[in-house]
Amino acid sequence: SQQGEEDPQALSIQEGENATMNCSYKTSINNLQWYRQNSGRGLVHLILIRSNEREKHSGRLRVTLDTSKKSSSLLITASRAADTASYFCATDTGANSKLTFGKGITLSVRP
Amino acid sequence: DGGITQSPKYLFRKEGQNVTLSCEQNLNHDAMYWYRQDPGQGLRLIYYSQIVNDFQKGDIAEGYSVSREKKESFPLTVTSAQKNPTAFYLCASSNGRYQPQHFGDGTRLSIL
Repeated sequence: SQQGEEDPQALSIQEGENATMNCSYKTSINNLQWYRQNSGRGLVHLILIRSNEREKHSGRLRVTLDTSKKSSSLLITASRAADTASYFCATDTGANSKLTFGKGITLSVRP
Repeated sequence: DGGITQSPKYLFRKEGQNVTLSCEQNLNHDAMYWYRQDPGQGLRLIYYSQIVNDFQKGDIAEGYSVSREKKESFPLTVTSAQKNPTAFYLCASSNGRYQPQHFGDGTRLSIL
């Protein structure tokens, strides 16, 4: 079962612009994580935000979490061509050590 | 460098054949996972193991088997009972609950 649903499915922007990606989920969570996947590669963990946190920053990444709306957003500022990848949100309900992944967002950054 | 190594990168299976995908980690993580990824799809959990000699079925375990005899190793066997095995298989590990997962670079399995 896929709890996280990302939106939009695909996003194309110009280098230097900001990219905003959204994730909605259905059940209570312990934390929500964002991952990046370059074509043909494994996933790379970007950021983890706990259910009692509202915002977190890491370099050019900003993640927000709204547990009342069961949603999260990932903002990439000043995008670069190297940011071109698929981005996934994953929810951890805390019931065990499993994560549930969404279908992902394909981000294309045009030089 | 610590990490997860999956091999082979590409694998071909004949009809009726079992194949085994290798996953080795040197991160000293207790938990390990196997996922299947189909084109344009997210990751679906096949099996996971939280400790040596113990593992649990994920959402799509039918047609697959695993073992966890060593902390570092979590091989996945795709059996002939899996009728649609063509996919990208990803192995991951984590340092327990509420922790991020670290991924290998995957094995792409195709049918001959």
